Amino acid sequence: AQSVTQLGSHVSVSEGALVLLRCNYSSSVPPYLFWYVQYPNQGLQLLLKYTSAATLVKGINGFEAEFKKSETSFHLTKPSAHMSDAAEYFCAVSGNNQGGKLIFGQGTELSVKP
Amino acid sequence: GAGVSQTPSNKVTEKGKYVELRCDPISGHTALYWYRQSLGQGPEFLIYFQGTGAADDSGLPNDRFFAVRPEGSVSTLKIQRTERGDSAVYLCASSLRGDTEAFFGQGTRLTVV
Repeated sequence: AQSVTQLGSHVSVSEGALVLLRCNYSSSVPPYLFWYVQYPNQGLQLLLKYTSAATLVKGINGFEAEFKKSETSFHLTKPSAHMSDAAEYFCAVSGNNQGGKLIFGQGTELSVKP
Repeated sequence: GAGVSQTPSNKVTEKGKYVELRCDPISGHTALYWYRQSLGQGPEFLIYFQGTGAADDSGLPNDRFFAVRPEGSVSTLKIQRTERGDSAVYLCASSLRGDTEAFFGQGTRLTVV
């Protein structure tokens, strides 16, 4: 069985500050891990994904995430927050034998203060 | 270059009624997924099609929910005898194959009153 836990349903940062959104996973098979972003009234957009190549993954809009097997974590970071980063962020996991079916965390809402 | 299209964008129905939600995947994508997103929650997997067949329907909550994809393209999610608890955003996604990136539509917001 697979699961994802996102620590913190709401995170607030100041513009220009570091963004850190936490994700821990549980998986009985080597996981594929994803971060998606959802802007209001829009669909989910893939930010980045880990598929067992490099452990540090770079995505769009300056975001990156590091896969740490020993900590079962896949935290999302961005060095400097921008107002346009305000959105809901979802971490997700899939197994390599589950046909792309994704198990999502509950989401973290990121607010960016001017 | 259209993305995944879902119709209607909003649907309000009365408790006990039947509803159909439509998903048009990206052309050529063989895999199609339905998810349900309740308020304040992450998307929850419902069903996965590979071509015309349901490869995994383990997420369908009960027998009131059914989905079809008769020609391997458009899919319809059908909900019978709707209940207030069915109110949610229903998301559809498609991917080129089952092991490649999934692209999501904007969802259908279903409200059962």
